[in-house]
Amino acid sequence: NAGVTQTPKFQVLKTGQSMTLQCAQDMNHEYMSWYRQDPGMGLRLIHYSVGAGITDQGEVPNGYNVSRSTTEDFPLRLLSAAPSQTSVYFCASSYSNGPTVSSYEQYFGPGTRLTVT
Amino acid sequence: SQQGEEDPQALSIQEGENATMNCSYKTSINNLQWYRQNSGRGLVHLILIRSNEREKHSGRLRVTLDTSKKSSSLLITASRAADTASYFCATDAGETSGSRLTFGEGTQLTVNP
Repeated sequence: NAGVTQTPKFQVLKTGQSMTLQCAQDMNHEYMSWYRQDPGMGLRLIHYSVGAGITDQGEVPNGYNVSRSTTEDFPLRLLSAAPSQTSVYFCASSYSNGPTVSSYEQYFGPGTRLTVT
Repeated sequence: SQQGEEDPQALSIQEGENATMNCSYKTSINNLQWYRQNSGRGLVHLILIRSNEREKHSGRLRVTLDTSKKSSSLLITASRAADTASYFCATDAGETSGSRLTFGEGTQLTVNP
């Protein structure tokens, strides 16, 4: 298994440009998430999905769109890039052990380092 | 706002010593997880402790959870230079909480050879 893959690894955008960060997992996980990590900070949740066709907002969703048409893929779209979106973006996926007490260990991709000038 | 807060922000020890990191959180949780992040890499899951557990071990890792104090600690015994990394606690508190982990700001651990 490749696990969680993200492309590109690095990206430089000009203010106002749009782009899509790609995320794919081959573990048949139901849940997928996007986080951003800023220097000296923990991860903040942008958007997440509990299954194909279902997405919801996290803590910092403004300026980002997501869709989940398949179980495997969860792309993150930046609509009009701003310098405040300069960050490292991580995609993660996780599974559930079932209806009782569940474990939600998250598997992370290697990250995309985005700079907006 | 961050649910988990780690303490200390940075910790520097010698190889062979034990390292203890603490995490405090604000709301009731289903479980608490610890992750490690090597510089420039993604996060790697270390251990999960459920709200009805008080202590858990995995190799050189020992995690405790005190729900009355809303706090957890991660102990790494006999540390090695390879343990140098940032360590994050993350709490799972929501109904559809599979993807709603809330991360703290992390403890930067440096283990000197």
